[in-house]
Amino acid sequence: DAGITQSPRYKITETGRQVTLMCHQTWSHSYMFWYRQDLGHGLRLIYYSAAADITDKGEVPDGYVVSRSKTENFPLTLESATRSQTSVYFCASSPGGGNEQFFGPGTRLTVL
Amino acid sequence: GENVEQHPSTLSVQEGDSAVIKCTYSDSASNYFPWYKQELGKGPQLIIDIRSNVGEKKDQRIAVTLNKTAKHFSLHITETQPEDSAVYFCAADTGTASKLTFGTGTRLQVTL
Repeated sequence: DAGITQSPRYKITETGRQVTLMCHQTWSHSYMFWYRQDLGHGLRLIYYSAAADITDKGEVPDGYVVSRSKTENFPLTLESATRSQTSVYFCASSPGGGNEQFFGPGTRLTVL
Repeated sequence: GENVEQHPSTLSVQEGDSAVIKCTYSDSASNYFPWYKQELGKGPQLIIDIRSNVGEKKDQRIAVTLNKTAKHFSLHITETQPEDSAVYFCAADTGTASKLTFGTGTRLQVTL
């Protein structure tokens, strides 16, 4: 199906574990983004990518790693999860040029 | 960097009344101002956007106004309906890489 998908939708992990959140889009959009959503903070940008093999930090990058070997995929890895990383994570994509960002359904991550 | 403030954080209106949500931004270079609606358990979805060369834009019951001099923009929803109940986010582009800075959200509740 066309669109932007995220997996898993729900994840429970323990502190210190590595976890990877997946994002896949079928539009061949150049830009992809990872946000976290926390009460009182809205959506905060973690990392973004302008194209395959081009990534850059956003507002809150500490503790996260991204890669983009293919245009359609943009995984987000928490190398050693902490309780403060409990959040809802959204992936988004955009064709660029100051255009709309399209959001995925989100992944609710709980770190115990 | 860009800073976007959004008010109010919660808004309750009766069905049929109007709702207004206001945002201010700090970066005079911002040119693109989208509004997103987020329903429970879903990702944000664009409902309307405006660019800096336009002062007002309307789409059925939804309108957005922009005052570039004062650096503020507003969302107006007329004849509200129960299905308008959701969290609304304003955003402003940062001028680079199609990034957006989001406000902290407004929870709108439309009561019967």
